[in-house]
Amino acid sequence: GAGVSQSPSNKVTEKGKDVELRCDPISGHTALYWYRQSLGQGLEFLIYFQGNSAPDKSGLPSDRFSAERTGGSVSTLTIQRTQQEDSAVYLCASSFDGPNTEAFFGQGTRLTVV
Amino acid sequence: KQEVTQIPAALSVPEGENLVLNCSFTDSAIYNLQWFRQDPGKGLTSLLLIQSSQREQTSGRLNASLDKSSGRSTLYIAASQPGDSATYLCALGGGADGLTFGKGTHLIIQP
Repeated sequence: GAGVSQSPSNKVTEKGKDVELRCDPISGHTALYWYRQSLGQGLEFLIYFQGNSAPDKSGLPSDRFSAERTGGSVSTLTIQRTQQEDSAVYLCASSFDGPNTEAFFGQGTRLTVV
Repeated sequence: KQEVTQIPAALSVPEGENLVLNCSFTDSAIYNLQWFRQDPGKGLTSLLLIQSSQREQTSGRLNASLDKSSGRSTLYIAASQPGDSATYLCALGGGADGLTFGKGTHLIIQP
């Protein structure tokens, strides 16, 4: 597609369940980012993938969060044993060649944990 | 750690006015600065990207400036229109930490 695609657009899950969020970056973009936007808060950086390199996971908020990127393209963000404080909009972005190039964002996945 | 501040937090002006949104940052060691707009319930739309070696960028009615020495950027919107109503976000690109965002300016253009 022409832009960054995220799925699902909305997800309601029960506390304690696992969820998987998907991001398809713009074709040819080597860098992929995940951010979290909580109600009334700014954007919080979670993790950055550059090509096939192993990412720095220190930005993930807890060990219940994990992310992977297969074949340097599609990425999934997995949250295990969801908690109510995980409720937020999860945004994915991609850029052509790392943090010195323009970032383009998807529409986000709105996660609600009930 | 980079800190980004956007002033004002909210702004409401009549249609047709020119306006300036401000962004300040604490660490001048940046790759670039990017301005985005976010409409309610939507993702972010990139407006302008200024590389660290540049002073300004223009796109249509938008002009963004960058002064690294003073840690400031401004987004100038000329002849504002109701469709410009959105939240405007400033973000600094500093490397493997991704973009560091300000909290945004919520802009309302009154018809």
